[in-house]
Amino acid sequence: EVQLLESGGGLVQPGGSLRLSCVASGFTFSNYAMNWVRQAPGKGLEWVSTISGSGGSTYYADSVKGRFTISRDNSKNTLYLQMISLRADDTAAYYCAKRRAAAGVYHFDYWGLGTLVTVSS
Amino acid sequence: QSALTQPRSVSGSPGQSVTISCTGTSSDVGTYEYVSWYQKHPGKAPKLMIYDVSQRPSGVPDRFSGSKSGNTASLTISGLQAEDEADYYCCSYAGSYTWVFGGGTKLTVL
Repeated sequence: EVQLLESGGGLVQPGGSLRLSCVASGFTFSNYAMNWVRQAPGKGLEWVSTISGSGGSTYYADSVKGRFTISRDNSKNTLYLQMISLRADDTAAYYCAKRRAAAGVYHFDYWGLGTLVTVSS
Repeated sequence: QSALTQPRSVSGSPGQSVTISCTGTSSDVGTYEYVSWYQKHPGKAPKLMIYDVSQRPSGVPDRFSGSKSGNTASLTISGLQAEDEADYYCCSYAGSYTWVFGGGTKLTVL
């Protein structure tokens, strides 16, 4: 059974840092590109970042570029999101989602339950 | 990237059909055949319902269908059931390994 379990969320002050983790199981982790998608309170979903199966390629939304870093450890089946210089508008539930690392595959076939990040003083 | 435009809410009675629209631009929906739809119940993970505009993953009832015309994609749910009540989000690939989502539509089954 596929499982994606996010952790690391919490309350952080503006300007602070946080590292999110997503532990995967039930599939061959390295065969999948992994993604972070967030949802601010009362808002829609927003794609945040993508990392290739090998970890060699990363992509970011303009809203987080330069502040967030996505990474993965395929030996631990774990995805990370390092967040620095956090702002109030980064407050959201953060979901990890997997996407098969194959040509022509551009949808997210399984998501985790999310972890909540609150940026507030 | 601006969010795709969805109606904030739609509603229908059990057994009826509803259609949710998703309007983007020529940079996303209008260019790529990679529109997907996700269902989200409160407190649960988003679930893939439609991918590549009109493809259904295994396990998704054939009551769910998708289509696209120009810059607008649509999700149609026929034979509405109580368990279909949820938030629905469209998503389009926007090139260069970036994606754009819609603001979400709340479906109420009356």
